[in-house]
Amino acid sequence: RKEVEQDPGPFNVPEGATVAFNCTYSNSASQSFFWYRQDCRKEPKLLMSVYSSGNEDGRFTAQLNRASQYISLLIRDSKLSDSATYLCVVNDKGGYQKVTFGTGTKLQVIP
Amino acid sequence: GAVVSQHPSRVICKSGTSVKIECRSLDFQATTMFWYRQFPKQSLMLMATSNEGSKATYEQGVEKDKFLINHASLTLSTLTVTSAHPEDSSFYICSARAPAGASSGYTFGSGTRLTVV
Repeated sequence: RKEVEQDPGPFNVPEGATVAFNCTYSNSASQSFFWYRQDCRKEPKLLMSVYSSGNEDGRFTAQLNRASQYISLLIRDSKLSDSATYLCVVNDKGGYQKVTFGTGTKLQVIP
Repeated sequence: GAVVSQHPSRVICKSGTSVKIECRSLDFQATTMFWYRQFPKQSLMLMATSNEGSKATYEQGVEKDKFLINHASLTLSTLTVTSAHPEDSSFYICSARAPAGASSGYTFGSGTRLTVV
């Protein structure tokens, strides 16, 4: 089983739609979780951290379920500019310990 | 915010030569930096963790003699791909943990696209 798993997609959704991605992780001791966005041939950029209580940033909502070991990202009112690959990132411990990336989920928002 | 500068952004080299990639933290000190490699349509794979003033920690399967890492100061880490071969062609990215007070998570360099011919 991979340490961090994501559905690679692609998810093709119309503008204005709501789309959700899940990511599962295998290490129950993992402590920090993030969602990154990566545009084609560019470096990843932090979209948002994921907190146990769940957190929202505009149209984006992230959730963490420790019991089931997954995190989710919900995007409401999708924009064309949301088209990218979304990477789930898990940090095994606090500080500078190993960081593992999921393979990413590709989102294509269609006009 | 925390910025990591990486260069060159693109390099083409001949097989058998060496290539050095630099990664600098511009407005913060990074005692630890991470080096990743990303092949087309694949995820970022951690190659090694670079520690200022000490030896780098390499992930399993990454040859430390081929991928030389030097972290001589709190703001600079370098990755040298020695005796490069076409299979080393990839996208190499460095990152550092954002400092306290900045946005959490990791900040990335812009990446280096290496093509070995």
